[in-house]
Amino acid sequence: GAVVSQHPSRVICKSGTSVKIECRSLDFQATTMFWYRQFPKKSLMLMATSNEGSKATYEQGVEKDKFLINHASLTLSTLTVTSAHPEDSSFYICSARFGPGWGGANVLTFGAGSRLTVL
Amino acid sequence: GQNIDQPTEMTATEGAIVQINCTYQTSGFNGLFWYQQHAGEAPTFLSYNVLDGLEEKGRFSSFLSRSKGYSYLLLKELQMKDSASYLCAVRDQGGANNLFFGTGTRLTVIP
Repeated sequence: GAVVSQHPSRVICKSGTSVKIECRSLDFQATTMFWYRQFPKKSLMLMATSNEGSKATYEQGVEKDKFLINHASLTLSTLTVTSAHPEDSSFYICSARFGPGWGGANVLTFGAGSRLTVL
Repeated sequence: GQNIDQPTEMTATEGAIVQINCTYQTSGFNGLFWYQQHAGEAPTFLSYNVLDGLEEKGRFSSFLSRSKGYSYLLLKELQMKDSASYLCAVRDQGGANNLFFGTGTRLTVIP
């Protein structure tokens, strides 16, 4: 089946530094990937839609200069949390759609997530 | 906006049946998904409904009523490993068919 690999699984950084999270689709090409954020005991919140070869589409309230997304190839999207602060500490999950087209049962396959802790 | 409601927590006994409800009010609708998520892990796909009715897949079944904005996930013959969060997600009709998630229902299966 389709697999999405996300790295790193855990990262601890100092306030003010930047952190990059990678999301790779294995054995399939993903022209579109999605980045979610999840707080403890809360829902997955869509942050942005990453489109290969073009700019990401950010959801309302998400700072695009804070959360830089690059989708340089059909198998890799990266999320960079710039000048991280403690309030950015969260669980970040990427996903990619496996299957043709937009509709039907084409499901999202999720990465294992990256837990960011900003000290 | 999107509003998707699920109970926060449920407890059920091993071997029993449990039903997790989900109600939604969304600006568009193009399918409803159920995902299972164990703590600290990625959500995994369980089921998909786009038409009214019941979809059965082994021990898991999912039901949808579009007119009522309602779905449920039914888990039969509960096993301890079914303890997890169950996420209801609605796909809108936007260009990228985004998924909007409910807060998830944390199910605890007890012996």
